[in-house]
Amino acid sequence: AQSVTQLDSQVPVFEEAPVELRCNYSSSVSVYLFWYVQYPNQGLQLLLKYLSGSTLVKGINGFEAEFNKSQTSFHLRKPSVHISDTAEYFCAVIRNEKLTFGTGTRLTIIP
Amino acid sequence: NAGVMQNPRHLVRRRGQEARLRCSPMKGHSHVYWYRQLPEEGLKFMVYLQKENIIDESGMPKERFSAEFPKEGPSILRIQQVVRGDSAAYFCASSPRQGYEGGYTFGSGTRLTVV
Repeated sequence: AQSVTQLDSQVPVFEEAPVELRCNYSSSVSVYLFWYVQYPNQGLQLLLKYLSGSTLVKGINGFEAEFNKSQTSFHLRKPSVHISDTAEYFCAVIRNEKLTFGTGTRLTIIP
Repeated sequence: NAGVMQNPRHLVRRRGQEARLRCSPMKGHSHVYWYRQLPEEGLKFMVYLQKENIIDESGMPKERFSAEFPKEGPSILRIQQVVRGDSAAYFCASSPRQGYEGGYTFGSGTRLTVV
């Protein structure tokens, strides 16, 4: 079975500071990994995805993530956050058409 | 090009009533997925449908829940005799084909409150 673990339920960060949101996955087979963002009272928006190829993946809104097979991680990073990045972020893995989500990390930006 | 459309956005039902949630996939998408987000939890898969077919309903509760995706019209998630524990956000996603690994497009959800 595949699963993802998001180690931090909440991450407060000062505006313009860098941020890393952690995600670890468990799978015995090749994985496709995703990061989604959910703004308050909204649906999920795809930030970025890793399917194959380069392990550094760039997404929207200045976010990027690095696939690390040896550490089974797919951490999300942004070098300088903005107030508008306040949201909940979900890591997910897909298999047999089903997305399995982590429990989410709530990113709060401190002015 | 409209995205995935869900309605209503908010739905209030009394215990014992029926809830009907609608999802219109993106244009050109024939695969629909329903997910449920309970308070303070991540999203959990419920059901995967193609037109007129249920492909995988392994995440659906055994009783009171059903889903359909008719040849014409939106996909419907139906909850009969709702209970307080059904209060959640229900999200629909769509994709253009089976085996599409590009990341599903999600709707804005229906927030069901059972009073």
